[in-house]
Amino acid sequence: DQQVKQNSPSLSVQEGRISILNCDYTNSMFDYFLWYKKYPAEGPTFLISISSIKDKNEDGRFTVFLNKSAKHLSLHIVPSQPGDSAVYFCAASAQGNQFYFGTGTSLTVIP
Amino acid sequence: DTGVSQNPRHKITKRGQNVTFRCDPISEHNRLYWYRQTLGQGPEFLTYFQNEAQLEKSRLLSDRFSAERPKGSFSTLEIQRTEQGDSAMYLCASNQRLGQQETQYFGPGTRLLVL
Repeated sequence: DQQVKQNSPSLSVQEGRISILNCDYTNSMFDYFLWYKKYPAEGPTFLISISSIKDKNEDGRFTVFLNKSAKHLSLHIVPSQPGDSAVYFCAASAQGNQFYFGTGTSLTVIP
Repeated sequence: DTGVSQNPRHKITKRGQNVTFRCDPISEHNRLYWYRQTLGQGPEFLTYFQNEAQLEKSRLLSDRFSAERPKGSFSTLEIQRTEQGDSAMYLCASNQRLGQQETQYFGPGTRLLVL
């Protein structure tokens, strides 16, 4: 049972434009959400997180939005840069006991 | 370097052999997680420790898999009688909860190939 879903396996965006990566979840008990970036042959690197008491968290070019009623979160990258090209995973947890990951979205930023 | 480290980075073994992987977490982190990742999938939870106590195990963790964290610092993951289906990237992560915030930091992973 996939509790965290990333329905877009890939996304291509022009450099300088906005990248929007989406994630849906099914478990209403999830209270903490994270985004990770992964390059080939490396472990995931933490990008940004949000707790369920917020609906937005911003860190530089990265903003995460959480819509609890829709059980949906998104990651916005503005402006997108070629170095952002990687696979992005969203993850969720309930009380931090176990983290559930989506299947990832491969982002390509075209120069 | 104060990140999570994993050894070895790569392991090739023959079916039926035993393998052991090691993870050294960030020193002040009390939680340590093991994940498995296969091609096209996100990391799948295997087990986690709080200090030396193993608190949760996934049903993915068959009886051929065992994990330990004897002194609450480094951890080992052993796979006995390896099967070709065990071929995957094995990831370790550590984190520490600060209030409501909890962030996992991953190691580079150990890529296992079972022939």
